Amino acid sequence: EAQVTQNPRYLITVTGKKLTVTCSQNMNHEYMSWYRQDPGLGLRQIYYSMNVEVTDKGDVPEGYKVSRKEKRNFPLILESPSPNQTSLYFCASSTPTGTEKLFFGSGTQLSVL
Amino acid sequence: AQSVTQLDSHVSVSEGTPVLLRCNYSSSYSPSLFWYVQHPNKGLQLLLKYTTGATLVKGINGFEAEFKKSETSFHLTKPSAHMSDAAEYFCVVRFKAAGNKLTFGGGTRVLVKP
Repeated sequence: EAQVTQNPRYLITVTGKKLTVTCSQNMNHEYMSWYRQDPGLGLRQIYYSMNVEVTDKGDVPEGYKVSRKEKRNFPLILESPSPNQTSLYFCASSTPTGTEKLFFGSGTQLSVL
Repeated sequence: AQSVTQLDSHVSVSEGTPVLLRCNYSSSYSPSLFWYVQHPNKGLQLLLKYTTGATLVKGINGFEAEFKKSETSFHLTKPSAHMSDAAEYFCVVRFKAAGNKLTFGGGTRVLVKP
């Protein structure tokens, strides 16, 4: 089954404790992206990747890192999380243009205390 | 600057009555337009899209949307709401002049009353 898998589904952490949210897709998509969803703001793009070893900043990259060492995986790293990064995070993937149909993961609800 | 505005943050309808979700965009260029739906505790799913051609677009689950360039709108409609339509809906716009970047509206939460 074609899918984007994110883990964990829920995460509670404390300020400053490094964490990683994993994302994996099985559709051989070149394009992958991370979004955060906050009430009333829709989804805002954090980082995206057009292919292996190619990543670019989205609208709200501050405080986040990503890597794309393999085509299927695109982890999101918070080196020193802060409370303003409490949010619902989604990973998505797509065919090369990155702008047609996006396939989304089920989301990761992060709370930073 | 390009932007997307969903005019209603919440819409409440009775089962069997029409649904209208409004979306306006701001751009000097013709965009590509999408509607996504998000059911509780799920990721987003594409409902329909407009790129070129016919301005009335039909999607899944009985939804359709009409692109009106003169009004810079892309409203989503469904003739008869079903309980399973309760979800959050996002209007999404791609502006080619902005490097094909996707911009999401703020979302409209739909409540369907029995």
